Amino acid sequence: DGGITQSPKYLFRKEGQNVTLSCEQNLNHDAMYWYRQDPGQGLRLIYYSQIVNDFQKGDIAEGYSVSREKKESFPLTVTSAQKNPTAFYLCASRFGSGEAGELFFGEGSRLTVL
Amino acid sequence: AQKITQTQPGMFVQEKEAVTLDCTYDTSDPSYGLFWYKQPSSGEMIFLIYQGSYDQQNATEGRYSLNFQKARKSANLVISASQLGDSAMYFCAMREGHGGATNKLIFGTGTLLAVQP
Repeated sequence: DGGITQSPKYLFRKEGQNVTLSCEQNLNHDAMYWYRQDPGQGLRLIYYSQIVNDFQKGDIAEGYSVSREKKESFPLTVTSAQKNPTAFYLCASRFGSGEAGELFFGEGSRLTVL
Repeated sequence: AQKITQTQPGMFVQEKEAVTLDCTYDTSDPSYGLFWYKQPSSGEMIFLIYQGSYDQQNATEGRYSLNFQKARKSANLVISASQLGDSAMYFCAMREGHGGATNKLIFGTGTLLAVQP
């Protein structure tokens, strides 16, 4: 079945450690996105990528890094520079650049810093 | 700056009744898109319905309809005949710009809907 796969679903890390969240899609979508969700808040955009080997900062990119070496993959690294990394992370993708075109989301990764 | 506002943190509705979830938005761009997503406790975001700023008619998808009032900048979601499985968090979102360049979505803070038997 086509879709977006995020892993791991739950992740714990110690302060000062980098961690990478995986996002893979087999929908042949061009654009991919990373959002962060905190309790009581909506989703906030971290990074997005329209094509392979290109990506742009979103509203809260500090302390995060991404790569887009393959169309299917858009991993997110939460670095030690991110001051409050405990959150729910959602990856999404979208086909093409038309007017409508909703985002398709993965099931999310919940990161907890101990 | 673009902004989405959902003023209802939580709502209750009786099973089989209709419910309206409020959403207002602010943008100076004449071209924009409005989306509603459902987030059950599992965490994934499920797309429900879309309304383009130039669409003349309100969007409908099964039991979901979007009450689009452009002059008031509101895009309320109406769920008819509520079911227990409708209990979830609901997010209103707006696409910035003309859709082609980035298609970033900005989200409201959500409304938690609880359907009571």
